[in-house]
Amino acid sequence: SAVISQKPSRDICQRGTSLTIQCQVDSQVTMMFWYRQQPGQSLTLIATANQGSEATYESGFVIDKFPISRPNLTFSTLTVSNMSPEDSSIYLCSVSGSPSGQGVGYTFGSGTRLTVV
Amino acid sequence: GEDVEQSLFLSVREGDSSVINCTYTDSSSTYLYWYKQEPGAGLQLLTYIFSNMDMKQDQRLTVLLNKKDKHLSLRIADTQTGDSAIYFCAESIGSQGNLIFGKGTKLSVKP
Repeated sequence: SAVISQKPSRDICQRGTSLTIQCQVDSQVTMMFWYRQQPGQSLTLIATANQGSEATYESGFVIDKFPISRPNLTFSTLTVSNMSPEDSSIYLCSVSGSPSGQGVGYTFGSGTRLTVV
Repeated sequence: GEDVEQSLFLSVREGDSSVINCTYTDSSSTYLYWYKQEPGAGLQLLTYIFSNMDMKQDQRLTVLLNKKDKHLSLRIADTQTGDSAIYFCAESIGSQGNLIFGKGTKLSVKP
């Protein structure tokens, strides 16, 4: 099953700026997923990133605010644009399959803890 | 709609058993998961159960599923300080379906 490297692990950003989060997978995967975990909340799916097509966004999330790139089968980026303090969250990428689940479930990156000041 | 509910906090003494409970609303869920999130880390899949099972045991972990009541529990035997973390219950339809997460239960283990 896949191993995911996500960076940066944390950042403190000024409001109005943008941050790009990178996710590198050690094997080719069809779909990659981006989640947001707001303080004290559960994980919410932002979008599904497919290689060669536009990302599919969940209700409440739009491409202008969270543009996603998926240039190949092992890499994806999520940009948080024009940030405000409300964007302070942990952002996680994920791929299907999990080593502890014998391929069932999902593997998650270690997350990017974003604080917007 | 889909909803997964968990209590937010649980505190136990080292060596005791911990039981974390979860309820879900989607009767078509076929997989139910427990994920662990340690401070500053991502989510680690601890265990999962398929909806046609009512119990699954894996070393210190026991998962019980009451499909009629849509109730899932995770029991950790002989809880250790290293078990202190946030535990998320999640459901999906199919093994690769979208995950719906609860808000997580913060387990604190006191020496």
